[in-house]
Amino acid sequence: KAGVTQTPRYLIKTRGQQVTLSCSPISGHRSVSWYQQTPGQGLQFLFEYFSETQRNKGNFPGRFSGRQFSNSRSEMNVSTLELGDSALYLCASSVAGTEETQYFGPGTRLLVL
Amino acid sequence: AQTVTQSQPEMSVQEAETVTLSCTYDTSESDYYLFWYKQPPSRQMILVIRQEAYKQQNATENRFSVNFQKAAKSFSLKISDSQLGDAAMYFCASRGGSNYKLTFGKGTLLTVNP
Repeated sequence: KAGVTQTPRYLIKTRGQQVTLSCSPISGHRSVSWYQQTPGQGLQFLFEYFSETQRNKGNFPGRFSGRQFSNSRSEMNVSTLELGDSALYLCASSVAGTEETQYFGPGTRLLVL
Repeated sequence: AQTVTQSQPEMSVQEAETVTLSCTYDTSESDYYLFWYKQPPSRQMILVIRQEAYKQQNATENRFSVNFQKAAKSFSLKISDSQLGDAAMYFCASRGGSNYKLTFGKGTLLTVNP
């Protein structure tokens, strides 16, 4: 099976812009989670989607949003970018339940100038 | 709420030797899962091993094994016969039975010396 894919892999934006990142889960996986990784804060959970519904949300401002499509692909959007949003954004997929292991994609590196 | 603590920011080991990475956690859930993930320089997060809290037997995957001490809330990773390809950042993570998110530790950077 193909692994989790994320596009784009690298992105450079300027402050105030918005950005959309995409994640395609492993075939058959219906749960998609997003994480932000920075040197200072480490790995932090953003949100989790299952069957097009957000089931869980981390402690991030409303500028961070996401959605999931009927084919389980997910997108996350960050509006009004700030310098502090520069990070590696990781997407992970699992079959469905909380007992399932999450498998990660290669990440999208976002640099905000 | 769950917390995961990795007290060793960096560790080093000689090739072919054994190294143990430490992890402690705290959770209010009775049902939970513990993981070790490896993140090499490519930044791809790779699952190393997984442990269900309800299982008393320690998980093993080839050269990787864990020492799961439930009462002490300790979950260490042992890497035997270390190889150069094991060099990476290792993250300990937990997930509660009623929660869909992974909570990660700060990571341990493992260096393997030839």
